Amino acid sequence: DADVTQTPRNRITKTGKRIMLECSQTKGHDRMYWYRQDPGLGLRLIYYSFDVKDINKGEISDGYSVSRQAQAKFSLSLESAIPNQTALYFCATSEPGYNEQFFGPGTRLTVL
Amino acid sequence: AQSVTQPDIHITVSEGASLELRCNYSYGATPYLFWYVQSPGQGLQLLLKYFSGDTLVQGIKGFEAEFKRSQSSFNLRKPSVHWSDAAEYFCAVGYGSARQLTFGSGTQLTVLP
Repeated sequence: DADVTQTPRNRITKTGKRIMLECSQTKGHDRMYWYRQDPGLGLRLIYYSFDVKDINKGEISDGYSVSRQAQAKFSLSLESAIPNQTALYFCATSEPGYNEQFFGPGTRLTVL
Repeated sequence: AQSVTQPDIHITVSEGASLELRCNYSYGATPYLFWYVQSPGQGLQLLLKYFSGDTLVQGIKGFEAEFKRSQSSFNLRKPSVHWSDAAEYFCAVGYGSARQLTFGSGTQLTVLP
């Protein structure tokens, strides 16, 4: 079984709709991250969380919100989706320190 | 502010040929550097990382990278490329108290038979 899972894997939605992307991990890591990937731009950090009570904005948090429901679960929400939020979204986890971040398989989101 | 530049958007090599992917970073403190690979439809997998010590680091799948502080570079190399190496490669620098990663824009590698 995958250590970091994301649901859904693909989603098509319409402008103005609320959508939630979910991430679960079985690695026991405290730190979790949400990134978006756009062609030619690499990955950019949206939000990150040290633990369930510590959530921080990343480079591009506008238009997004997150919820850390438990150590193992970190959800990303788009309150009112817009077309330029069409992207590939990745969740990642890590242990404290400069350790490897482990990435989920990604969610491909299309906003029409 | 930190930044990572991967000047080659797309590289094509023949199977068995050597490979070098370039990465330049900008960061005021000691850099923590990573190379990740993304195969089609997959998440990112860590190839190797540099924190300190020996400037030549070995990674998985036969890859290595050399940290050159004077050139602010962390280039990825492989002596003989395999068809399965075709993927997108990302260089990243770690920074901040949360060890966030700033990624380069990626280099797409095509391997010809």
